[in-house]
Amino acid sequence: GQQVMQIPQYQHVQEGEDFTTYCNSSTTLSNIQWYKQRPGGHPVFLIQLVKSGEVKKQKRLTFQFGEAKKNSSLHITATQTTDVGTYFCAGQGTSYDKVIFGPGTSLSVIP
Amino acid sequence: DSGVTQTPKHLITATGQRVTLRCSPRSGDLSVYWYQQSLDQGLQFLIQYYNGEERAKGNILERFSAQQFPDLHSELNLSSLELGDSALYFCASSLGTSVGNEQFFGPGTRLTVL
Repeated sequence: GQQVMQIPQYQHVQEGEDFTTYCNSSTTLSNIQWYKQRPGGHPVFLIQLVKSGEVKKQKRLTFQFGEAKKNSSLHITATQTTDVGTYFCAGQGTSYDKVIFGPGTSLSVIP
Repeated sequence: DSGVTQTPKHLITATGQRVTLRCSPRSGDLSVYWYQQSLDQGLQFLIQYYNGEERAKGNILERFSAQQFPDLHSELNLSSLELGDSALYFCASSLGTSVGNEQFFGPGTRLTVL
């Protein structure tokens, strides 16, 4: 069945450094979503990517969908302590398939 | 506040017991999803309902069942509970099921099985 993997599992960065998490699917995706979960909180939707090669930006966050629609990345420029949390990617095979969440990347930011 | 409500917030019970978790989706959302999150398993998709009907099934145990009622609220029933069922259970809702429907998560129900 479809699997979604994320690396790294954990990342510790100094405040101001950049951070990237990578998401890979075993099958081609129709779309990929990114969520952020703060410690003690619930996942919160960040963005959805649909088109091959798509790049979207939200302030310091840049999201990319691979050309083959099997991988994605989230890059944070100049991390801040408010970026702390676990970032999940979630892929959907077709629009009627269930959404598969990756295991998440836990980001710690050292002030 | 996502607009998704879940009750109870915390639940402590014993092995072998049965519990029911309740979720009310955002106003207008037709899809409800249930997830289990434990420390060593990440966010595991259990089941999805769309407008009262089961739409997709994930790694849901036979001891677990769910339903979505005509008013669109959903319940997740967990029976013959085991220690390993201790986890945070999230409900999420979305407008529909097709591409473009972001999921809004509730605050979760923390289940502790003793």
